[in-house]
Amino acid sequence: QSALTQPASVSGSPGQSLTISCTGTSSDVGSYNLVSWYQQHPGKAPKLMIYEVNKRPSGVSHRFSGSKSGNTASLTISGLQAEDEADYYCCSYAGSSTLVFGGGTKLTVL
Amino acid sequence: QLQLQESGPGLVKPSETLSLTCTVSGGSISSSSYYWGWIRQPPGKGLEWIGIIYYSGSNYYNPSLKSRVTISVDTSKKQFSLRLRSVTAADTALYYCARSMAPLDAFDIWGQGTMVTVSS
Repeated sequence: QSALTQPASVSGSPGQSLTISCTGTSSDVGSYNLVSWYQQHPGKAPKLMIYEVNKRPSGVSHRFSGSKSGNTASLTISGLQAEDEADYYCCSYAGSSTLVFGGGTKLTVL
Repeated sequence: QLQLQESGPGLVKPSETLSLTCTVSGGSISSSSYYWGWIRQPPGKGLEWIGIIYYSGSNYYNPSLKSRVTISVDTSKKQFSLRLRSVTAADTALYYCARSMAPLDAFDIWGQGTMVTVSS
């Protein structure tokens, strides 16, 4: 069971759209629609932003969306805002009753 | 509004057992809809899934920690607990408890986390 692969960092300007990738294998991301995304601001607990690939919990901005193609899941943030600057983590069911997280991506709003 | 609160020692000696408790307030721990889990985050690093438990006691663990981990639940106290045996410095981390929307699905509610340092 290996961690999912995310870019260490991404950046964008306010108003832009930005996508964070999460690459796994055919044993995890590729086989199950159980990918979730979390936003974590410094010193805070993670916050669920997307679950089951593309579902948004109540209260999460429509600017956040999720998708999946093959072994790669993606989180897209449209209309980037300063408050979106945070760390983002993906997570997937990995079979055999286990979950695996990605290494995390630091999003910087320029 | 459901809330989770972790509690336990902030310092544990190497080779000893780390014990943490998560108290559920504002809702039921016995709901058939949810599982309850533990996730940790070493300083400056990413999240690691430790395991989850259902109110009935059925549980699932991270294979890399399975030999050292026990997660239990006490529905009468609305608490679930984590025990991690034979700790080393590598177990130093911020430990979060969280509610899982379904077995092995997303965590929708998190505690604030509690820092545990393993040091003599």
